[in-house]
Amino acid sequence: QVQLVQSGPEVKKPGASVKVSCKTSGYTFTKYGISWVRQAPGQGLEWMGWTSGYNGNTNYAQTFQGRVTLTTDASTSTGYMELRSLRSDDTAVYYCARGRAVASTFDYWGQGTLVTVSS
Amino acid sequence: QSVLTQPPSVSEAPGQRVTISCSGSSSNIGNNAVNWYQHLPGKAPKLLIYFDDLLPSGASDRLSASKSGTSASLAISGLQSEDEADYYCASWDDSLNAWVFGGGTRLTVL
Repeated sequence: QVQLVQSGPEVKKPGASVKVSCKTSGYTFTKYGISWVRQAPGQGLEWMGWTSGYNGNTNYAQTFQGRVTLTTDASTSTGYMELRSLRSDDTAVYYCARGRAVASTFDYWGQGTLVTVSS
Repeated sequence: QSVLTQPPSVSEAPGQRVTISCSGSSSNIGNNAVNWYQHLPGKAPKLLIYFDDLLPSGASDRLSASKSGTSASLAISGLQSEDEADYYCASWDDSLNAWVFGGGTRLTVL
């Protein structure tokens, strides 16, 4: 069965960077991409961007352009999200989700990774 | 502020039917498909509806959805306590070149 398993919670100081992993299984990694979506406390869902599992092509939401890097490693079927220059309002649960293309439905999601930014 | 507009909460008695609305614009719902997700606290969101009104394999037949113009809706019939969750609509936005979501609707089964 399709599974996306994310790395554990992180606590970071303002200005630092965080890298979250999303290890996938149960499907052909290179036939899909991975979107990243976050949810801040008490807020709704916010799409951050998408990266191809085939060639690493990326599409970023304007809000995060220049501050986030999405990558994939086909040898381990894993996607990564790195967010830099962290601020307190980056405190959120970050989710990865599978989607064939940037504008395709994301059908399976990871369990989420809590990133806390605090001094 | 979310790009798509949903009511913050809805409530209904067990066994009844509830509808959740999602309003957008011509750059998202009006021109692209709508997906619906169920989100339970601490869990991964779950796809309920895709391409406006299609149910994924294994989805409950108590679910239905529709779209008209720039609005969409999700209906859940035969409400059960396990339906208590947050529900989100989502659509691709051609102007923003991004996925946009509704703010979420908290369903309470009375």
